[in-house]
Amino acid sequence: SAVISQKPSRDICQRGTSLTIQCQVDSQVTMMFWYRQQPGQSLTLIATANQGSEATYESGFVIDKFPISRPNLTFSTLTVSNMSPEDSSIYLCSADRDTEAFFGQGTRLTVV
Amino acid sequence: DQQVKQNSPSLSVQEGRISILNCDYTNSMFDYFLWYKKYPAEGPTFLISISSIKDKNEDGRFTVFLNKSAKHLSLHIVPSQPGDSAVYFCAASFQGAQKLVFGQGTRLTINP
Repeated sequence: SAVISQKPSRDICQRGTSLTIQCQVDSQVTMMFWYRQQPGQSLTLIATANQGSEATYESGFVIDKFPISRPNLTFSTLTVSNMSPEDSSIYLCSADRDTEAFFGQGTRLTVV
Repeated sequence: DQQVKQNSPSLSVQEGRISILNCDYTNSMFDYFLWYKKYPAEGPTFLISISSIKDKNEDGRFTVFLNKSAKHLSLHIVPSQPGDSAVYFCAASFQGAQKLVFGQGTRLTINP
């Protein structure tokens, strides 16, 4: 199985600020994914991060709010910009290995 | 529009008995289904998967059943153990494990 390290594991942020979440995979992967889990909700895909091209965003998510970087095949970042309390969620990165998806441990974000 | 639904938010089972978690989906284009287990403060962990060409897949104590005509899948855990207490998510995808669509999760509690 792939090992995915995600940091920070949690943070409490002031509204209006931005937080960048980092995700490191222990081997090269083609695609990485960013998910959000709002309180009491299911995991929702934010965007797919491809190396060498812009991320592909799902309906309801935009690059200005959630800019993503993918500088190489083992690393990606997600920034939550201009945060509001509604952004309080768990954010998870994921990568595929064969037909399985593996996840980081998640970042629990609280916006106050 | 919730394409993958887990209608039971919680389930309580006696240790040693069978746990059955259910999942329904609406999109007939889904061709791959997965179950994940999630402990608090950790990312989801892959459990078992099934392709739409099969109706059953077994791995140790875990068996997943797929009923395509009913657009329904279930996860059976037998015998249930205290360490199985977690939130279980079913997920569906097109073309392997990319772009997963998750259900809301079912919290399973195994009672000693």
